[in-house]
Amino acid sequence: AQSVTQLDSHVSVSEGTPVLLRCNYSSSYSPSLFWYVQHPNKGLQLLLKYTSAATLVKGINGFEAEFKKSETSFHLTKPSAHMSDAAEYFCVVSDGDNYGQNFVFGPGTRLSVLP
Amino acid sequence: NAGVTQTPKFQVLKTGQSMTLQCAQDMNHEYMSWYRQDPGMGLRLIHYSVGAGITDQGEVPNGYNVSRSTTEDFPLRLLSAAPSQTSVYFCASSYQGGHTEAFFGQGTRLTVV
Repeated sequence: AQSVTQLDSHVSVSEGTPVLLRCNYSSSYSPSLFWYVQHPNKGLQLLLKYTSAATLVKGINGFEAEFKKSETSFHLTKPSAHMSDAAEYFCVVSDGDNYGQNFVFGPGTRLSVLP
Repeated sequence: NAGVTQTPKFQVLKTGQSMTLQCAQDMNHEYMSWYRQDPGMGLRLIHYSVGAGITDQGEVPNGYNVSRSTTEDFPLRLLSAAPSQTSVYFCASSYQGGHTEAFFGQGTRLTVV
């Protein structure tokens, strides 16, 4: 069965400093991995996705993530945080083989950006 | 582009009442699903559908029913609301499921008193 661990429930950074949100996954198959962002009282927006192409994936708003199979990790990074990055971030794994359980969400990491 | 549209955005129910959460998508996606979001638990799959006329249970299906008569619509029915169903509900659609991204609606915040 697939599972996702997001190692930090809350991360706080200062504006202009780097962001690191950690994600580890477990999957029996070759997974696809996603990062979604949810701003307060909003729906979920796709930041980026890995689907077995390049292991370093660039997304929107300057975010990127690196797929490391040996470490079963897919950490999300951004060189310089902006106030608008404050939101909840979800790491999602999908193996695509069990059609009904495609997307398994991590518990989320809340990112706070301090002025 | 409308994408995935959910109605209503907010709802308060009394215990025992029933209601239907509506979800419609205009992207001609075959795969649709319903999730509930609770603090610290991410999103959990309630029911899903791989096409019109085909539905199946997810991780937390008890107390909910779904049907899929058209490609566009995927309503979620609460049969007899309970306080444990207080949550934020999200509908999602995707082209094939699995390795393709899902598009989410804006959510329905449901409170059962």
